[in-house]
Amino acid sequence: DAGVTQSPTHLIKTRGQQVTLRCSPISGHKSVSWYQQVLGQGPQFIFQYYEKEERGRGNFPDRFSARQFPNYSSELNVNALLLGDSALYLCASSYRQGTNTEAFFGQGTRLTVV
Amino acid sequence: DAKTTQPPSMDCAEGRAANLPCNHSTISGNEYVYWYRQIHSQGPQYIIHGLKNNETNEMASLIITEDRKSSTLILPHATLRDTAVYYCIVRPLYNSGGGADGLTFGKGTHLIIQP
Repeated sequence: DAGVTQSPTHLIKTRGQQVTLRCSPISGHKSVSWYQQVLGQGPQFIFQYYEKEERGRGNFPDRFSARQFPNYSSELNVNALLLGDSALYLCASSYRQGTNTEAFFGQGTRLTVV
Repeated sequence: DAKTTQPPSMDCAEGRAANLPCNHSTISGNEYVYWYRQIHSQGPQYIIHGLKNNETNEMASLIITEDRKSSTLILPHATLRDTAVYYCIVRPLYNSGGGADGLTFGKGTHLIIQP
């Protein structure tokens, strides 16, 4: 079975631009979470979506938004990019929300803002 | 903020057991201890989790103290491929509030396996 897939793997954007990152969860998984990992730090929780609804968000500005589609794939959008948004963006899927099921992470998208 | 404290780095000789400590003195009765690891440039990988009993799987063993305030992840025969950052995380058994159950990562322990 395919794991969590993210696209693109790398991209470079200019400050002020907008970016869309994509995630396909493991087949059968209905919950998708997004994390930001800056260099030298652990991943920081951004959003969780379950059954196409936002279930919570971390301490991130409104420039960050996301959505989940009927097939449970998800997109993360970041507007008005800042240099500080340069990071590895990770997507994780789990079978469902609210239980202690483990999360499976993708390889991430490396975003560089110049 | 992460509810766990881990040493920033550790070394271990290849073939020996790697013992990674984690302090979680404020853990609640309904919180599990989870371990993930992140090999360079990859996404985190689930290793093991437990509540209060010792747990073992094909990757590792988890030893939780009786008072549950600390735990140790044991990799019985470390190989060079085990070089990674290891994260200890506490999370509730069940998110009864219906809110997000995102993982709270700290900085982890950078385990370096020496040949």
